[in-house]
Amino acid sequence: GESVGLHLPTLSVQEGDNSIINCAYSNSASDYFIWYKQESGKGPQFIIDIRSNMDKRQGQRVTVLLNKTVKHLSLQIAATQPGDSAVYFCADFNFGNEKLTFGTGTRLTIIP
Amino acid sequence: EAGVVQSPRYKIIEKKQPVAFWCNPISGHNTLYWYRQNLGQGPELLIRYENEEAVDDSQLPKDRFSAERLKGVDSTLKIQPAELGDSAVYLCASSLQSYNSPLHFGNGTRLTVT
Repeated sequence: GESVGLHLPTLSVQEGDNSIINCAYSNSASDYFIWYKQESGKGPQFIIDIRSNMDKRQGQRVTVLLNKTVKHLSLQIAATQPGDSAVYFCADFNFGNEKLTFGTGTRLTIIP
Repeated sequence: EAGVVQSPRYKIIEKKQPVAFWCNPISGHNTLYWYRQNLGQGPELLIRYENEEAVDDSQLPKDRFSAERLKGVDSTLKIQPAELGDSAVYLCASSLQSYNSPLHFGNGTRLTVT
């Protein structure tokens, strides 16, 4: 079946450095992709999304890159802060079957 | 604006007992979702409501799970009887208009079945 997965389950980054979280997807028909941040004991929080007809989108300190050729998605967080420590999920959505599929998640730890 | 409110935050029950979760979505949000999240995994959709109509319940184990969204606002999710494998975090989310707008999640109910 279709799946959305992450390359690494854990990632540690020094405070102030940039971090990159990667995600591979298999459904070439996905229409858009979303990144969520989930802090301990809380629900996922929307960070940023990108449509399949785009290859880059920027937000505040975050950039999402989409490479449809290799079905790869990444989330870049600039100048990481302790508050960025969380689990990050990518998810893909298909308008045809109206399915939003979450990946397993990457735990990002910011080292002070 | 107030976020999605869920209760209780935690619930511990013995297997074969019933349990219910409650969700109050963000005011004005037409779409309500119930997700289940197992440890270390991403959320998985159980059911989606558009107003009071369940439009996607294909992943809801209907032999033991039921849900309702009376008057298209609050929703309850029930499990009867609970099994050990039901231990998970149950998340409620809402959005203004289905998947065309971002999903806002509540903090979930952590269920432990012993």
